[in-house]
Amino acid sequence: GENVEQHPSTLSVQEGDSAVIKCTYSDSASNYFPWYKQELGKGPQLIIDIRSNVGEKKDQRIAVTLNKTAKHFSLHITETQPEDSAVYFCAASLSGGSYIPTFGRGTSLIVHP
Amino acid sequence: GAVVSQHPSWVICKSGTSVKIECRSLDFQATTMFWYRQFPKQSLMLMATSNEGSKATYEQGVEKDKFLINHASLTLSTLTVTSAHPEDSSFYICSASAGVAYEQYFGPGTRLTVT
Repeated sequence: GENVEQHPSTLSVQEGDSAVIKCTYSDSASNYFPWYKQELGKGPQLIIDIRSNVGEKKDQRIAVTLNKTAKHFSLHITETQPEDSAVYFCAASLSGGSYIPTFGRGTSLIVHP
Repeated sequence: GAVVSQHPSWVICKSGTSVKIECRSLDFQATTMFWYRQFPKQSLMLMATSNEGSKATYEQGVEKDKFLINHASLTLSTLTVTSAHPEDSSFYICSASAGVAYEQYFGPGTRLTVT
């Protein structure tokens, strides 16, 4: 089955800095890669996703890049703000198949004001 | 759009009793719903997948007689924890999808504490 590794487990940055979270996956058939933000005591919220037919997607301060050859994808947050502090999860799945995503272990992002 | 609700948001129950958690898709028809369990500072653990009108598919190691899942309509799925024990205390999260090719949207979670 699919295996998703996520690094780092904790990331501490100063407000205004950029933050990068990286994930690797094992199943080359995976073609859908969502990122979720989970605030304390809440459910995960989909913040951005990318499909295998593109290499990069951007939404304001958030971007995701995908390298299918190397089987890794990354979340980039620019101009971080304290409200970006949360746990971020990456996931990989096969759209159109079972579509059950495999989640990474999560990254706790702390943005210091 | 794509709003999923859960009720209750938190519940405390005594050991041996059963508790039901509801998951509703508010603005779309959810062909598939998923139930997850999350321990503190850990990732989401998929418990089961349910399709409307069908029996749920449970992940290996999840007791189907203990965690009863019913997906009675395209907008409602329920998880019943039967004969709850303190070790069942956890954060339970549902998600809903319009189909196998569509994104999952998560509910806000339910904190279950069994005393």
